[in-house]
Amino acid sequence: SSELTQDPAVSVALGQTVTITCQGDGLKDYFASWYQQKAGQAPVLVIYGRNNRPSGIPGRFSGSDSGNTASLTITGAQTEDEADYYCCSRDRLGSHWVFGGGTKLTVL
Amino acid sequence: QLHLQESGPRLVKPLETLSLTCSVSAGSVSSGTYCWGWIRQPPGKGLEWIGTLYNNDITYYSPSLSSRVSISVDTSENQFSLRLTSVTAADTAVYYCARLELLGVTDGFDIWGQGAMVIVSS
Repeated sequence: SSELTQDPAVSVALGQTVTITCQGDGLKDYFASWYQQKAGQAPVLVIYGRNNRPSGIPGRFSGSDSGNTASLTITGAQTEDEADYYCCSRDRLGSHWVFGGGTKLTVL
Repeated sequence: QLHLQESGPRLVKPLETLSLTCSVSAGSVSSGTYCWGWIRQPPGKGLEWIGTLYNNDITYYSPSLSSRVSISVDTSENQFSLRLTSVTAADTAVYYCARLELLGVTDGFDIWGQGAMVIVSS
């Protein structure tokens, strides 16, 4: 299957650590990329590859992977981190991309 | 920094063809390092990959859209385009163009356009 599965919603207390996970067969062969999308805005790449942050993305964002699961961790979540988060990866042939269904993060 | 801007009709009639163009500024669509993609998002729903254009003009499309979609590049205009034929209300969405950095098993859509809301309605 080329699908990526994410929990629909996760919450975290302000300043605490939260991990968002993404499961799929393609993750055995390709790294996930992670996108943050705030209401009414275009997605923003926050993590790609093994654990790479584009310029301008705070260090509290990190990524990891194990088998068919990729994870995005926010260490010390801030109110501005409240958003939808999407994982993305390729299928096992490497020629098609797929996005997870998204996880809505609420910072309490 | 490279900038992407979608343009095209925002209202398309059912069974007609949706056409959008992504203009690339402060960079070149011919850059060998990068690929280009289209992603869409129906109202209130998640992101859906439509297709990716490699710099050797090879394209890959979502299996669910492959019979109706095409992506092409115009290097003279520094832009790339999306065509989706025989549209229905289910094709109503915000359409994003994006740059894809592809490095072996690592990749990421690192720059996105602001998005273009396209409504399919008579």
